[in-house]
Amino acid sequence: SQQGEEDPQALSIQEGENATMNCSYKTSINNLQWYRQNSGRGLVHLILIRSNEREKHSGRLRVTLDTSKKSSSLLITASRAADTASYFCATDGEYGNKLVFGAGTILRVKS
Amino acid sequence: NAGVMQNPRHLVRRRGQEARLRCSPMKGHSHVYWYRQLPEEGLKFMVYLQKENIIDESGMPKERFSAEFPKEGPSILRIQQVVRGDSAAYFCASSPTQGWEGPSPEQFFGPGTRLTVL
Repeated sequence: SQQGEEDPQALSIQEGENATMNCSYKTSINNLQWYRQNSGRGLVHLILIRSNEREKHSGRLRVTLDTSKKSSSLLITASRAADTASYFCATDGEYGNKLVFGAGTILRVKS
Repeated sequence: NAGVMQNPRHLVRRRGQEARLRCSPMKGHSHVYWYRQLPEEGLKFMVYLQKENIIDESGMPKERFSAEFPKEGPSILRIQQVVRGDSAAYFCASSPTQGWEGPSPEQFFGPGTRLTVL
């Protein structure tokens, strides 16, 4: 069964606005990662947060992790048209090294 | 440093034929993972290999699918007697070793092979 579930399934915003995507998971984890996938392309690794971390930043990205609620959020600030893509969270730990992906959030940034 | 390479990028097969997908991990990475992505879905784990060994194949279908990662050369995902339901994007990822020989948690993905079965 799917481990991670992202919401919303789709998000449409104007350039310059912030975008927030959420991810929930069911079992204990070692790490949670966020990936971006442009249409028809491979996945680009964005950020990894470990289970003992609560928040992490990378450029315009901010990730939070709440292990008590088994949830994570990805915030993209000052969005750009180039941020248009699908965003996936992936967890590892309960099932070993393999990553368990959610179904993703489709983000559309309108210019 | 070249990223993970996969070929072919697109593969068309007729039902009953064999499909061979190749993956060259990033330089210095000895851990390889294969994932499958159906349209509009997230990726599903298939198999994890370390040089010459299959470590975890819990996501591999029991029949027709096999994977290898030889001492020399790329990792190969092989699908025999393909059926229409095998049509999907197949992604390979690799990770380096950290510390005590285990894989680093970050996995770096290739561009994928899109398999179409007619």
